[in-house]
Amino acid sequence: SQKIEQNSEALNIQEGKTATLTCNYTNYSPAYLQWYRQDPGRGPVFLLLIRENEKEKRKERLKVTFDTTLKQSLFHITASQPADSATYLCAPHDQTGANNLFFGTGTRLTVIP
Amino acid sequence: DGGITQSPKYLFRKEGQNVTLSCEQNLNHDAMYWYRQDPGQGLRLIYYSQIVNDFQKGDIAEGYSVSREKKESFPLTVTSAQKNPTAFYLCASTGTGGSGNQPQHFGDGTRLSIL
Repeated sequence: SQKIEQNSEALNIQEGKTATLTCNYTNYSPAYLQWYRQDPGRGPVFLLLIRENEKEKRKERLKVTFDTTLKQSLFHITASQPADSATYLCAPHDQTGANNLFFGTGTRLTVIP
Repeated sequence: DGGITQSPKYLFRKEGQNVTLSCEQNLNHDAMYWYRQDPGQGLRLIYYSQIVNDFQKGDIAEGYSVSREKKESFPLTVTSAQKNPTAFYLCASTGTGGSGNQPQHFGDGTRLSIL
């Protein structure tokens, strides 16, 4: 069955540094992969979508890579700020026909001032 | 502003009781989804609907039921058959073509607890 792993449950970094979050998936080959941000008690908010034929996607301070050989996506936040503290969810798409998403458990990022 | 509204924000269920969680969207989206989120677990799909009057079971549909009589509404009923209903429930929607290549828009969830 499909499996999604996000590198760690929690990640603490110093303000101004680059945060790197990892998403690994096994047993399938998604054509798309999405990243979401979730704040406590709130629903996830869409950040970026990357397609299998795209190596990298950027949006302001965010960068996502998608390596279909390694079955891995990396999510980077450069010049991190305390306001970036949240849980980040990786969501590769499901190719089984329903075209839904599988969500990882998330990585809780804390940016320390 | 367009978006998804879930209500209530907090809900309590007694033993043997069915409860219904509301989800309404004004984004004119065809597809709607219900997820359950538990601590330490990813979002798990309960039910989804890609068009009015049609819906499909997700990975954990047992003990839940849904209806899709209107495009903008997708209520979820947690029945007494769901023995462990305490969780954070999230509703989402997306445009045509499914959510693989389009963002999902989420509501702010309903937290269900057992009395």
